[in-house]
Amino acid sequence: DQQVKQNSPSLSVQEGRISILNCDYTNSMFDYFLWYKKYPAEGPTFLISISSIKDKNEDGRFTVFLNKSAKHLSLHIVPSQPGDSAVYFCAASAQAGANNLFFGTGTRLTVIP
Amino acid sequence: GAVVSQHPSWVICKSGTSVKIECRSLDFQATTMFWYRQFPKQSLMLMATSNEGSKATYEQGVEKDKFLINHASLTLSTLTVTSAHPEDSSFYICSASPGTQFGYTFGSGTRLTVV
Repeated sequence: DQQVKQNSPSLSVQEGRISILNCDYTNSMFDYFLWYKKYPAEGPTFLISISSIKDKNEDGRFTVFLNKSAKHLSLHIVPSQPGDSAVYFCAASAQAGANNLFFGTGTRLTVIP
Repeated sequence: GAVVSQHPSWVICKSGTSVKIECRSLDFQATTMFWYRQFPKQSLMLMATSNEGSKATYEQGVEKDKFLINHASLTLSTLTVTSAHPEDSSFYICSASPGTQFGYTFGSGTRLTVV
């Protein structure tokens, strides 16, 4: 059973606009969430994380929002750039740093120049 | 930053042969490493947790006799796919955490094709 879900397999956005990638989870024990970016034939690279004690974390053009009551998080990229085109995975863990991660199925973002 | 090196990046092998994939933490020690597998259009799925100096922990449905894991040192874990079959063709990725709060570091992955 998929505990972390990314219901949009793909997203296309014009350069300069905002990209919003969504993620839902079902396990209420999850308290640490991460976003990874993955290029073809490469391993995922860490992008940004948020713990359940926060509802927002910002790092440059990337902001992650967490709505615990809705079990929903989102990644905002603004402004979007062509180099942001990749597959984005949402991941969740019941403990930061030690336990394994549960991944969503990914959303392929295409930023159109 | 923390770097995890995975080798080889791609391998083609014949059915029935074995393939070894190495995962190294280059600038930190990792008592625990994780092995993931990703089939096309599917999520990364955890296969097993590799523990230095002890037996690996396998996820449900993963055959431990088929996917042999050895974590002989604090910087090296290996995954051996034994008697490989075409259905084992997949993208295998390892990861480790240097213990910081800010995520796991992944290897670059290994594309295994069994013909």
